[in-house]
Amino acid sequence: QLVLTQSPSASASLGASVKLTCTLSSGHSSYAIAWHQQQPEKGPRYLMKLNSDGSHTKGDGIPDRFSGSSSGAERYLTISSLQSEDEADYYCQTWGTGSHVVFGGGTRLTVL
Amino acid sequence: EVQLVESGGGLVKPGGSLRLSCAASGFTFSRYSMNWVRQAPGKGLEWVSSISASSPFVYYADSVKGRFTISRDNAKNSLYLQMNSLRAEDTAMYYCARIGTTTLLTDYWGQGTLVTVSS
Repeated sequence: QLVLTQSPSASASLGASVKLTCTLSSGHSSYAIAWHQQQPEKGPRYLMKLNSDGSHTKGDGIPDRFSGSSSGAERYLTISSLQSEDEADYYCQTWGTGSHVVFGGGTRLTVL
Repeated sequence: EVQLVESGGGLVKPGGSLRLSCAASGFTFSRYSMNWVRQAPGKGLEWVSSISASSPFVYYADSVKGRFTISRDNAKNSLYLQMNSLRAEDTAMYYCARIGTTTLLTDYWGQGTLVTVSS
């Protein structure tokens, strides 16, 4: 069964960079994922699709500060030059068995 | 501009029914598969159901199978979720979301409609 694992929390200072991780369960290291951002009291927002080779396709209007990379079963979201509005929950998503959608548990990013 | 606007949420008693709607605009609705995703208070995102562009294929999470029905009306650019036999654990914000034709992943989200199941 496909599972996406994310750390519950992360923090970094204003203006710094942070790298969030989404790990695919064993046997699924070739899967592409999507990263989504959810700011407080708002609906989610699509950030990018990230492939296993690290290539990524960003959503409309997503700043260059957001980038993705991959290594094996790990998918990363890097946010550089952190701003206060980047404080949010970040979710990864992919497709599981029988076309079921799977979400990671989310990472809450705090900007210090 | 792609817009997804949900409606139909509200307070309902356990065992009751509710029908959610999602009005789509800014894209050719009939070409896209669609999702419903929910988020219980203070919790993460949970996929509920998906429907293909021309409706022959529907998929449900085990937690709602047999109680919820997803449907669409491409002529009205609308997505629906009929929810029956509602339980307290169905209390959540329900989001309508588009599945990209090239990404095959969710690429646009609505703002959500709140469903509260309580006596």
